[in-house]
Amino acid sequence: GAGVSQSPSNKVTEKGKDVELRCDPISGHTALYWYRQSLGQGLEFLIYFQGNSAPDKSGLPSDRFSAERTGGSVSTLTIQRTQQEDSAVYLCASSLEVAGGGEQFFGPGTRLTVL
Amino acid sequence: GNSVTQMEGPVTLSEEAFLTINCTYTATGYPSLFWYVQYPGEGLQLLLKATKADDKGSNKGFEATYRKETTSFHLEKGSVQVSDSAVYFCALPTYSGAGSYQLTFGKGTKLSVIP
Repeated sequence: GAGVSQSPSNKVTEKGKDVELRCDPISGHTALYWYRQSLGQGLEFLIYFQGNSAPDKSGLPSDRFSAERTGGSVSTLTIQRTQQEDSAVYLCASSLEVAGGGEQFFGPGTRLTVL
Repeated sequence: GNSVTQMEGPVTLSEEAFLTINCTYTATGYPSLFWYVQYPGEGLQLLLKATKADDKGSNKGFEATYRKETTSFHLEKGSVQVSDSAVYFCALPTYSGAGSYQLTFGKGTKLSVIP
């Protein structure tokens, strides 16, 4: 596709269940980012991938959160034992370069609701 | 670390009014500065950017000038339209010592333009 795609667009789950969120970056973009957008916290950085490596995972809010990227392309964000405070829109972005002048292209997001 | 302070809304303007959304930043060095926009129901998209001091970014009638002296990057538009109704985010790149790179965002300003 032409842009960053994410699936599912909406996910409703019960507290305690695991969820997987998927991101397909723009082809050829080596850098991939996950952010979380919630009413109380604004936009929070979660994790960044350069290729398949994540140099810094300190933005992940707890050890229930993990992410992987395979083949330098698709990434999956997994939340285990979901809690109500995990409810938010999860955004994925990709960029052609890491340098500070590079534009990040965002996907439409996955809206997660934990009941 | 880097941070962004952005004028909080909501802001309601009549069509053709002048718009200013204030943004100030704290950063190490002189990073690029960005304005992102999120239209209702859509993902974040880059509106404009400036890569060095005194640069002016512009797009769709919006402008912002990178002011090193006042550490500001205020967004302006001379005559807003209903179609400009959206949430606007000021952002800058932040690097960690672990090789991570992320965008640090302001909390966003919701603009509503009424006919």
